[in-house]
Amino acid sequence: NAGVTQTPKFQVLKTGQSMTLQCAQDMNHNSMYWYRQDPGMGLRLIYYSASEGTTDKGEVPNGYNVSRLNKREFSLRLESAAPSQTSVYFCASSPLTGYSNQPQHFGDGTRLSIL
Amino acid sequence: GENVEQHPSTLSVQEGDSAVIKCTYSDSASNYFPWYKQELGKRPQLIIDIRSNVGEKKDQRIAVTLNKTAKHFSLHITETQPEDSAVYFCAASIGNQGGKLIFGQGTELSVKP
Repeated sequence: NAGVTQTPKFQVLKTGQSMTLQCAQDMNHNSMYWYRQDPGMGLRLIYYSASEGTTDKGEVPNGYNVSRLNKREFSLRLESAAPSQTSVYFCASSPLTGYSNQPQHFGDGTRLSIL
Repeated sequence: GENVEQHPSTLSVQEGDSAVIKCTYSDSASNYFPWYKQELGKRPQLIIDIRSNVGEKKDQRIAVTLNKTAKHFSLHITETQPEDSAVYFCAASIGNQGGKLIFGQGTELSVKP
């Protein structure tokens, strides 16, 4: 039982390149989330998916797109990477039944540097 | 917009002392308040959470208190140990928006032996 798995763990990109961060969970959770973590700023929500087939913007969605491929997988895409997107990206999932909040479980993160 | 303020940003205590971290939130509809511990280079891990229908919750050396009227909640760690050293984040749910959380800026706790 791996929990939340993120790939890759590390990535270096050049400005303007594109890439997709992958996230998969094996806990049969309904909801999935993408955060970025920058020094001194805590975790900020980029996008989330409350259930399969739905996605919605979080606090800092500009420059990103997401796809909820199926119940297990939620990917984050940077279409044209910018240095301001250098960060650690965390994926999380939660059971979320109805609108009752449940704990979120995090992956190990992807450390992304954009030159 | 919704906001969570966390204080202090750094906290240093002697082993065996207590540590208290405080958070305030702005959304009166928030009803779920988790606390996460993050060790250097690792993922955030849930250590305790509290819902708005409860004023206090305890789990061994960790406790959380919630004051809905004042819109603040606190994490209390007693008998601190060096392995408690980490960054701690509070969070609050955003109204009834399908599990969305807003996080505080984090508190770096250092427990000196």
